[in-house]
Amino acid sequence: DTEVTQTPKHLVMGMTNKKSLKCEQHMGHRAMYWYKQKAKKPPELMFVYSYEKLSINESVPSRFSPECPNSSLLNLHLHALQPEDSALYLCASSQDRGQGDGYTFGSGTRLTVV
Amino acid sequence: SQQGEEDPQALSIQEGENATMNCSYKTSINNLQWYRQNSGRGLVHLILIRSNEREKHSGRLRVTLDTSKKSSSLLITASRAADTASYFCAEGNNFNKFYFGSGTKLNVKP
Repeated sequence: DTEVTQTPKHLVMGMTNKKSLKCEQHMGHRAMYWYKQKAKKPPELMFVYSYEKLSINESVPSRFSPECPNSSLLNLHLHALQPEDSALYLCASSQDRGQGDGYTFGSGTRLTVV
Repeated sequence: SQQGEEDPQALSIQEGENATMNCSYKTSINNLQWYRQNSGRGLVHLILIRSNEREKHSGRLRVTLDTSKKSSSLLITASRAADTASYFCAEGNNFNKFYFGSGTKLNVKP
C-alpha cells in the first residue's frame, strides 16, 4: 500500500459545528503532516507529527486540534471554525525527517465553512 | 512567509515544447523536491535531488540544483497536454519543516 487516504473528500460545516478530518497510511512512515492550501496558493505547513508525537505547530489557532492515535492515523479536529478557514486540507507522510524519498500526499479534504 | 519563490508564476506553451521552471529557496537543505498538483487535487512527488547532487534525470524531467545560489530548476521536455498542472518545489531539511515554493502554473496547449 503506497497511499495516503484522507476522509472525507468534501466537508461543509457551520461555524458552531465540531468535525474531524482523518488521514491514514500503511507505508510504515513515522512522520505525518497537515497542510492547508487556499486557492491558487502553495500548501502551508500546519502540524508535524514525528513518531506519534507533535513536533511542530506552526502557530495554528487552537480551533484546529491535531491528534495522532497511532503510527498509521492522523486526525485533525475542527471546532468553531471561521469562513476564512475554508480550504483544501492535505495530509502527507514521510519516512522520517525529510531526508528520505519524498513525501506522499493524500488527495485532500475540501472544507467549506458556512 | 513559509514559501520560497518560483518563476515564472504562469507558463503557457504548445505541446512538444520544453518547459522550464525555476525555484529559489530559503533554508539549508538536505534535498530539494518537485511536486505536481492537478487542479484541486493532492500533490504528486516527481523527483528529489540531494544537496550533494547537481543534476538529476527522470524520464522527461531534468532537475538541476545550485546550492551556492539556493536555486533549482525543473525542465520538462517534449511537453504533453497532460502535463498541465501546478508545479511546486519544496525544501527538505533536518527539521521536518517542509516548505513549498509559490508554484508555477503550467498550461500545455494541444
